[in-house]
Amino acid sequence: DAGITQSPRHKVTETGTPVTLRCHQTENHRYMYWYRQDPGHGLRLIHYSYGVKDTDKGEVSDGYSVSRSKTEDFLLTLESATSSQTSVYFCAISDPSGGEDTQYFGPGTRLTVL
Amino acid sequence: EDQVTQSPEALRLQEGESSSLNCSYTVSGLRGLFWYRQDPGKGPEFLFTLYSAGEEKEKERLKATLTKKESFLHITAPKPEDSATYLCAVQASGTYKYIFGTGTRLKVLA
Repeated sequence: DAGITQSPRHKVTETGTPVTLRCHQTENHRYMYWYRQDPGHGLRLIHYSYGVKDTDKGEVSDGYSVSRSKTEDFLLTLESATSSQTSVYFCAISDPSGGEDTQYFGPGTRLTVL
Repeated sequence: EDQVTQSPEALRLQEGESSSLNCSYTVSGLRGLFWYRQDPGKGPEFLFTLYSAGEEKEKERLKATLTKKESFLHITAPKPEDSATYLCAVQASGTYKYIFGTGTRLKVLA
């Protein structure tokens, strides 16, 4: 299994509070991704990073920010959580330099915003 | 707009009853097409990558094929442990973003 961990694995929070989810990898992969998964929508890209301090938006980036200060860590922040951000969040990594564009996923974080 | 559509949404098979899952895609230049398996409560698990029309890959009871407009995941003589959601994703040329379909929920009955 690819060395990807996510923390916390479960979180319940109140509307309006800030939340930070952490993704940590031990594979030294260049690319890291944050997705959310909701019934009927599948996996949707929030933000991704193509290197330290290099990030870009995905299709559902409103209300989310990210930071990557080290190769191994990619943080997703909800500045002011809303009920519509209740979801399961997955981190993924990839490294196309090896010739394979395969993404490997973490175990997920289940976030509930009350 | 790049898009991935998977069908059927759900499929119930008897053990040993072979079938195929479909992934239709529209993308401005295909960099790669990916198949994943996802079990409840877990992250997607990589199965196959296909890069060009005509390419095929196999793993145990699974075989993935690719044409210019769609991909099929063929399941031969499935077993109950093959029950899962199967996800398809594409990556367009010039980008490292992935676009996912909504998946096919497969249930194999003993």
